[in-house]
Amino acid sequence: GENVEQHPSTLSVQEGDSAVIKCTYSDSASNYFPWYKQELGKGPQLIIDIRSNVGEKKDQRIAVTLNKTAKHFSLHITETQPEDSAVYFCAASIRGGQAGTALIFGKGTTLSVSS
Amino acid sequence: GAGVSQTPSNKVTEKGKYVELRCDPISGHTALYWYRQSLGQGPEFLIYFQGTGAADDSGLPNDRFFAVRPEGSVSTLKIQRTERGDSAVYLCASSFQAYQPQHFGDGTRLSIL
Repeated sequence: GENVEQHPSTLSVQEGDSAVIKCTYSDSASNYFPWYKQELGKGPQLIIDIRSNVGEKKDQRIAVTLNKTAKHFSLHITETQPEDSAVYFCAASIRGGQAGTALIFGKGTTLSVSS
Repeated sequence: GAGVSQTPSNKVTEKGKYVELRCDPISGHTALYWYRQSLGQGPEFLIYFQGTGAADDSGLPNDRFFAVRPEGSVSTLKIQRTERGDSAVYLCASSFQAYQPQHFGDGTRLSIL
């Protein structure tokens, strides 16, 4: 069945360093790939997304890259700050985006940024 | 409020009981999704509504789970004969239309004793 794998499961960086989280997906029909940030006791917050017709997208310190041939996509956070500490989830649309945009999520990456 | 609202925020009940979880989507959003998140895992898709109809309920784990959205706005997720394995955070998300970004509420933490 459809699957999204996310690595690493935990990531510790120093403030100001860059952080990279990688995901692979199995359904070649997936065409939408969002990233969410989740803080303790809160729901996931959308931070950036990318569609399959684009290879890269950037929003200030956050960027996402997509390689459809290899079926993987990555989140890049530059100049990390302590407030970036949270659990990050990648996701991919399932069933080729039919029936809305139901998503399948990775298992998450716990990012810790120390000052 | 401006975001997705879910009530109650916490629900504790005994095995075998019936529960209802409510979701108020962002005003004007036609698409509504329910997900379930177990500890240490990503959200898992349950059901998708476009307007009043359930367009895709393939993620519901069994027939004890049911959801409605009678007027195309508020949705209720209903669980009958609850089991301890149903304990999780139930998340609701909405989007302006299908194929648009989904925005999540803070969820209902359901605990079955």
